[in-house]
Formats: sequence, structure tokens, C-alpha cells
Amino acid sequence: GENVEQHPSTLSVQEGDSAVIKCTYSDSASNYFPWYKQELGKGPQLIIDIRSNVGEKKDQRIAVTLNKTAKHFSLHITETQPEDSAVYFCAATESNYQLIWGAGTKLIIKP
Amino acid sequence: GAGVSQSPRYKVAKRGQDVALRCDPISGHVSLFWYQQALGQGPEFLTYFQNEAQLDKSGLPSDRFFAERPEGSVSTLKIQRTQQEDSAVYLCASSFLERSDEQYFGPGTRLTVT
Repeated sequence: GENVEQHPSTLSVQEGDSAVIKCTYSDSASNYFPWYKQELGKGPQLIIDIRSNVGEKKDQRIAVTLNKTAKHFSLHITETQPEDSAVYFCAATESNYQLIWGAGTKLIIKP
Repeated sequence: GAGVSQSPRYKVAKRGQDVALRCDPISGHVSLFWYQQALGQGPEFLTYFQNEAQLDKSGLPSDRFFAERPEGSVSTLKIQRTQQEDSAVYLCASSFLERSDEQYFGPGTRLTVT
């Protein structure tokens, strides 16, 4: 089955700098890769996703890149702000309706 | 419109008690997912409904766990004879699509078994 590895587990960046979180997956059949943001006491919130027929997708300060050959995808956040502090999860499809999740990255934005 | 809601938000149960967790998905969403999230970890898939049909329950940890969605909207996750290892946050998500894309999550129910 699918296995998703995510790193780093904790990332601390200065406000205004960029943050990059990386994930690798094992199943070459996976075709959908979402990123979720989870704040304390809340459910995960979908922030961006990418499908396997696309190499890059951008939405304002957030971008995701996908390298199918290497089976890895990354989340890029530019001009980080205090409200970006949260835990970020990547995921990959196991089947049509199963997502396999990474272990999460705690992003800390230092003022 | 309203997002996904879950109740109760917090539940404390004594070991051996039965609990029922409710999920109200976004109206019109075909797909409904239940996940279990342990502290400091990512969500783990429990079960999936497409309308009222439970198409996948491969993630349910034991036969003490049971889920239903009888009319294709509200869903209930029931845990019988709770054990301490059942302590976790139980998340519900719904999607307009008939697959795992674009899931919208509720706030979760934090279950503590004492």
C-alpha cells in the first residue's frame, strides 16, 4: 500500500521568510496530492492540492510542486506571516477514496 | 452555508462504556469519511460512505467500531466497550465528489477513555 513520509517534523522560520515542506510517496499509481493546515483544536483545512498531470500549482503565497519520477511533492509558503503557524499535513491517494497522510510538520513563524 | 459539524466536541467515557459520535456533513456532499487522529500524528482512515452505502470499512480497528449513514446525510460512529487505546480525536470529512478529493473536515470529537 501507499506510504507517505513528510519532513521536517518541525520548521521554524523568521516572519517574512519562505518555508518549504517535503513529502515522498511510494505508490506510483497515486494521482492526487492535497496539503492540509491544522490549527490547534480544529479539523484539517485543505489549502492546496495537485493532480498527477500537473507539475506545479500556485495560489497567492502558497505553491505546490510535484515530481512524479522521483515520487515527491513539496509545499512552498512565501512571505510567511504569524497566521501561517500551524501543523501542515501532506497526503496521497491510496485508492479512489482513501488518503494516506504524512506525520505532519509543525511550522513556527518567529516574529 | 454551514461546514461540517460534529458532536459532541469532547467526550469522556469510562472503560467499557459505549459511545456514539455524530457527524453532520455539508448538505449535498456525496462522500463521507471518518478518521482517527492520535496526538501528534496525521489522521488515519477508518471508513468511507458514498451516500448511504459503506463502501470501505477497512480502517476500523476492531469489531467494536461501527459506523452508519442510513439516509445518506448524517453519520454516526459508534464504539462499543471502549478501551483506553480508543482515546483519540475522531474526525469526519465530507466531499461533493465520489472520491477522496477536496475533503472538508469538521472540528473533531476528542474522546478520552478513563
